[in-house]
Amino acid sequence: EPEVTQTPSHQVTQMGQEVILRCVPISNHLYFYWYRQILGQKVEFLVSFYNNEISEKSEIFDDQFSVERPDGSNFTLKIRSTKLEDSAMYFCASSGSGGARGTQYFGPGTRLTVL
Amino acid sequence: QQPVQSPQAVILREGEDAVINCSSSKALYSVHWYRQKHGEAPVFLMILLKGGEQKGHDKISASFNEKKQQSSLYLTASQLSYSGTYFCGTEYNNAGNMLTFGGGTRLMVKP
Repeated sequence: EPEVTQTPSHQVTQMGQEVILRCVPISNHLYFYWYRQILGQKVEFLVSFYNNEISEKSEIFDDQFSVERPDGSNFTLKIRSTKLEDSAMYFCASSGSGGARGTQYFGPGTRLTVL
Repeated sequence: QQPVQSPQAVILREGEDAVINCSSSKALYSVHWYRQKHGEAPVFLMILLKGGEQKGHDKISASFNEKKQQSSLYLTASQLSYSGTYFCGTEYNNAGNMLTFGGGTRLMVKP
């Protein structure tokens, strides 16, 4: 069964450093998302991406964040200068269609720890 | 504005039933239900669209009450594997990009 994959599974970085989180969405999906979940809290939407541009973004997704689809398979989230409060589990998701019928399938997540 | 889930936590014995509610103060377009086990990604359960639709998947079903702007998830004859945190994710329009998740309901099923 097709699934979303993410690398690395765990990333440890120093405050102020740049990190890139990588995702490979399900191959025939067109819509891509990033969410984050701080330990013990709810899942929070960061950004959605379709047709090589951002469709929607939340207040969390400020200028320190960027997304890119560098090739036909990868989808990346970059944090330019990490802060302690960026420590969280980051989930990538993809869906085959937009609109309310588009089931979003989540990847296993990348745990980001900022020291 | 996030949807409100209730209860926050529930403990069941195997075979018992549970209902988890997800309420919104804004008009809902759809509700997506997910289950997350500790340390794992959320796993999709089902989508409900406005219109009072009810769906079922094995012994898990859900309804959507458009008048109340509320969705309920019904777990019948619970199994140990049902343990986890259940999240509802809501959409307020049919642009279909952003899910706003509730705070979650922790369900523990004991033998």
